[in-house]
Amino acid sequence: SQTIHQWPATLVQPVGSPLSLECTVEGTSNPNLYWYRQAAGRGLQLLFYSVGIGQISSEVPQNLSASRPQDRQFILSSKKLLLSDSGFYLCAWTGTGHGYTFGSGTRLTVV
Amino acid sequence: TQLLEQSPQFLSIQEGENLTVYCNSSSVFSSLQWYRQEPGEGPVLLVTVVTGGEVKKLKRLTFQFGDARKDSSLHITAAQPGDTGLYLCAGRVYNTNAGKSTFGDGTTLTVKP
Repeated sequence: SQTIHQWPATLVQPVGSPLSLECTVEGTSNPNLYWYRQAAGRGLQLLFYSVGIGQISSEVPQNLSASRPQDRQFILSSKKLLLSDSGFYLCAWTGTGHGYTFGSGTRLTVV
Repeated sequence: TQLLEQSPQFLSIQEGENLTVYCNSSSVFSSLQWYRQEPGEGPVLLVTVVTGGEVKKLKRLTFQFGDARKDSSLHITAAQPGDTGLYLCAGRVYNTNAGKSTFGDGTTLTVKP
């Protein structure tokens, strides 16, 4: 069965520090991968998606970047965090179906 | 511009009551999904509807896709405290790249015992 792992679960980082969030998928190959950000109790904003290794599309200009060094690995990064980067970050994948499978999320607080 | 509008934004009811939440858009979707999310966790897919007019049932939950494929509703019968959570709809437009879906802002449901 397919599983998705996302870590860390929570993170508190100072303004100006770097960021690296990692997501891995098991049990499938060549998935479409996504990074979403969610404001408290609200909908999801698509940040990046990837259809294959090294292929990254950005949906929203921002202080973040993404990379896909391996087929089932998706990384969200920042060189210098801003206060506005705080939020709940979700990794997700899709295969041939219409719905997403989400990771458990990372709560990022920039202080 | 919000592509998908969900209503109501907040809903608080007593256990045993029925409720309906709505997801509306001016866009036509190839498919629409409903998710339920608990605090601090990722959303979990409940259902995908793909055919205009389609009705799907999942125990006490009934999902309907509008005939014009622009809207959807979720009806819960005899709500229970375990139904509490954030309900999100997400639509996939035709010819989208990489299977992307757009999410509504959600309906926060609280079922009081």
